[in-house]
Amino acid sequence: AQTVTQSQPEMSVQEAETVTLSCTYDTSESDYYLFWYKQPPSRQMILVIRQEAYKQQNATENRFSVNFQKAAKSFSLKISDSQLGDAAMYFCAYRSPDYGATNKLIFGTGTLLAVQP
Amino acid sequence: EAGVTQFPSHSVIEKGQTVTLRCDPISGHDNLYWYRRVMGKEIKFLLHFVKESKQDESGMPNNRFLAERTGGTYSTLKVQPAELEDSGVYFCASSRFIQGAAYEQYFGPGTRLTVT
Repeated sequence: AQTVTQSQPEMSVQEAETVTLSCTYDTSESDYYLFWYKQPPSRQMILVIRQEAYKQQNATENRFSVNFQKAAKSFSLKISDSQLGDAAMYFCAYRSPDYGATNKLIFGTGTLLAVQP
Repeated sequence: EAGVTQFPSHSVIEKGQTVTLRCDPISGHDNLYWYRRVMGKEIKFLLHFVKESKQDESGMPNNRFLAERTGGTYSTLKVQPAELEDSGVYFCASSRFIQGAAYEQYFGPGTRLTVT
């Protein structure tokens, strides 16, 4: 069974600085999807960025980028130029390939990011 | 476009009582998912509907949980009778697609259930 591990329960970053959130996963599948979701306080969880495992190029979305290391089964999220609005719980998630039996998301335990002014 | 909505936002019930949670997916989304997060732990999948049919209910913890999706629109998740370990945040999500890079699950704000 696939698992997702986020080893940093809490992180803190100064406004305008860069922070990296870690995520590792375990799977025997070769083709899959990885996601980072963000849940601001008392608000809905939203998708930040996604990565298809067959793509070697790391995904980027504005200030958010990932470092995808397939062999190491690592999928970290880098937030550049951190803003106060980035403060949230961040969840890493895995999804099996399209031909799999399920398309449920498998989540890690989350990392609570605080942004200091 | 309205997002996924869930009702109620909070529910506090006593052990042994019944609670029903509701989820309204985004219009046009055939796929509806329920997840649960127990305090401090990971978000865990409960089940997946495609329209009114249960596609995958492998995450349902036991037979005290009953999920329905009437007419393929909104869904309800009933817990009867509730136990202390059922406390947590219940998330609903919906998606239009189930394959490919266009796949994305849109989440509701969650229902925080507290069983005392």
